Amino acid sequence: QITLKESGLTLVKPTQTLTLTCSFSGFSLSSSGVGVGWIRQPPGKALEWLALIFWDDDERYSPSLKSRLTITKDTSKNQVVLTMTNVNPVDTGKYYCAHRPSYGSLFDYWGQGTLVTVSS
Amino acid sequence: EIVMTQSPATLSVSPGERVTLSCRASQSISSDLAWYQQKPGQSPRFLIYGASTRATGIPARFSGSGSGTEFTLTISSLQSEDFAVYYCQQYNHWPYSFGQGTNLEIK
Repeated sequence: QITLKESGLTLVKPTQTLTLTCSFSGFSLSSSGVGVGWIRQPPGKALEWLALIFWDDDERYSPSLKSRLTITKDTSKNQVVLTMTNVNPVDTGKYYCAHRPSYGSLFDYWGQGTLVTVSS
Repeated sequence: EIVMTQSPATLSVSPGERVTLSCRASQSISSDLAWYQQKPGQSPRFLIYGASTRATGIPARFSGSGSGTEFTLTISSLQSEDFAVYYCQQYNHWPYSFGQGTNLEIK
């Protein structure tokens, strides 16, 4: 059974760096085709892709946020970390990590999400 | 960047009715389209991939169709648990993008 869970500070001040960790079980990030992605959702708004890391260390970022995002993986710990620099209030929202299956860049299993608030 | 447009934004229907939600891509994405369902306070639930293949455990009343730029999600007979927001997502071309969602509400 695949499960994912997000963790990290939930209140961040403007200009600070946000670090979120996705801890998962039920799959290996060394399996061919597999990936873990991050998606966010501002309150009352739609889903937005942020970043995706593949089993082979390939990384993809949202073009509009690329300069502020870094995604890394620790296969031995079954964790993926997302870092977002220079946050501002518009970055407030629910942040989800999710499993990308080998057959396509969609997300079949999602974490419960963590609500991040950017406020001074 | 491919823009996904869903219509309508909100749909009011009665339980038992048949409903069709639309999703349009700004350029061809072949059949690389997924659908998700999201209820208030919950994470998205994966419904359909490849435009028409139901994910494991998804009831047969959910069906998807389309290819290229036009796609639909049909729920044949709405159950109370189906009232939610539905999102489409293309995974043909990076950056993979979501639509803005259709809110399916009880009439």
